[in-house]
Amino acid sequence: GEDVEQSLFLSVREGDSSVINCTYTDSSSTYLYWYKQEPGAGLQLLTYIFSNMDMKQDQRLTVLLNKKDKHLSLRIADTQTGDSAIYFCAESRGYGQNFVFGPGTRLSVLP
Amino acid sequence: DTEVTQTPKHLVMGMTNKKSLKCEQHMGHRAMYWYKQKAKKPPELMFVYSYEKLSINESVPSRFSPECPNSSLLNLHLHALQPEDSALYLCASSQVTGAALNTEAFFGQGTRLTVV
Repeated sequence: GEDVEQSLFLSVREGDSSVINCTYTDSSSTYLYWYKQEPGAGLQLLTYIFSNMDMKQDQRLTVLLNKKDKHLSLRIADTQTGDSAIYFCAESRGYGQNFVFGPGTRLSVLP
Repeated sequence: DTEVTQTPKHLVMGMTNKKSLKCEQHMGHRAMYWYKQKAKKPPELMFVYSYEKLSINESVPSRFSPECPNSSLLNLHLHALQPEDSALYLCASSQVTGAALNTEAFFGQGTRLTVV
């Protein structure tokens, strides 16, 4: 995960919006992903964005991609306690589908 | 069905044991992966199979031996493991597309392995 960076912690109040940021280094990455991992569980794909897009919205989730700055963000609207988890940004590199994960951002939602 | 099923969910094994982890998917995905995840760390890629052939081995020790008997199954055979191999082992699958194109990977719930 050394080439994909994320802040490690984020705390928000229930009902507020959460914004989780990610930077990546490989300009050849074609897809960028957000995965959610709850304690002791596997990774759940939340959403992904193709590198020729700059925004994707899916219900409460909005992904923004700034390809020039290699910056990806995930915005969760109306954050709920069930959103508390670790969120991993990931990029895929070339043929062979080598997914590279960031270190994960631990989101804590306070009542 | 977007499910990747891993068994067992938990496994405790001694350093002299031989055990296997299993992974199954029925989404028609022809790429399957093993990842290792230590506590509070991101998943690290171990192996990639593409069309049932090993395409990536990330310098994993030989005490881990992957096997892909058919397009739906992926196994990870374990032998003579060390306590530091204790981790969550995640299986994933995805479609295989053309060069430089990728698609999303779906992950199983993982097998939590403890080596004693």
